[in-house]
Amino acid sequence: RKEVEQDPGPFNVPEGATVAFNCTYSNSASQSFFWYRQDCRKEPKLLMSVYSSGNEDGRFTAQLNRASQYISLLIRDSKLSDSATYLCVVIGNTGFQKLVFGTGTRLLVSP
Amino acid sequence: DGGITQSPKYLFRKEGQNVTLSCEQNLNHDAMYWYRQDPGQGLRLIYYSQIVNDFQKGDIAEGYSVSREKKESFPLTVTSAQKNPTAFYLCASTPRRDRGPAEAFFGQGTRLTVV
Repeated sequence: RKEVEQDPGPFNVPEGATVAFNCTYSNSASQSFFWYRQDCRKEPKLLMSVYSSGNEDGRFTAQLNRASQYISLLIRDSKLSDSATYLCVVIGNTGFQKLVFGTGTRLLVSP
Repeated sequence: DGGITQSPKYLFRKEGQNVTLSCEQNLNHDAMYWYRQDPGQGLRLIYYSQIVNDFQKGDIAEGYSVSREKKESFPLTVTSAQKNPTAFYLCASTPRRDRGPAEAFFGQGTRLTVV
């Protein structure tokens, strides 16, 4: 089993739609979780951290479910500019913060 | 401003040649990483380093080598032993857990093409 798993998609949605991605992780001791956005041929950029209590940033909401070992990203009112690949990143709880990436979920928002 | 810099952005290499990709950070981060990304694929870990003069193999280390002589620098050499080196290479860094949030910073990437 992979350490971090994501549905590669693509998710094709119309503008204005709400879309949700999940990411499962296998290491129950993982401590930190993030969603990154990667545009084609560019480096990943931090979209948001994922906290135990859940967090929201504008149209984006991230949640963590430790019992089921998954994190989620919800995008409301999708924009054309949201089209990208969304990477889930999990970090372990040792002194060394090893990054483990999911393969990413591709989102395509159409007019 | 602090950040992480990769160079060059584009690199062309002839088959059989070694080539070195540069990665420098001024964030005072302890850990540095090299990833490879192929078209339509996720990031695969090549090597990582927790501290100076120490590094570990990732999932796809064969055909690659690294050094960590300085905290700021983590160069990656793609050797002629790497069978299919054409890819997008990303360098990243994170602080030590007790020195700050775990957010990873990325360089802009180096696109290597073997001709």
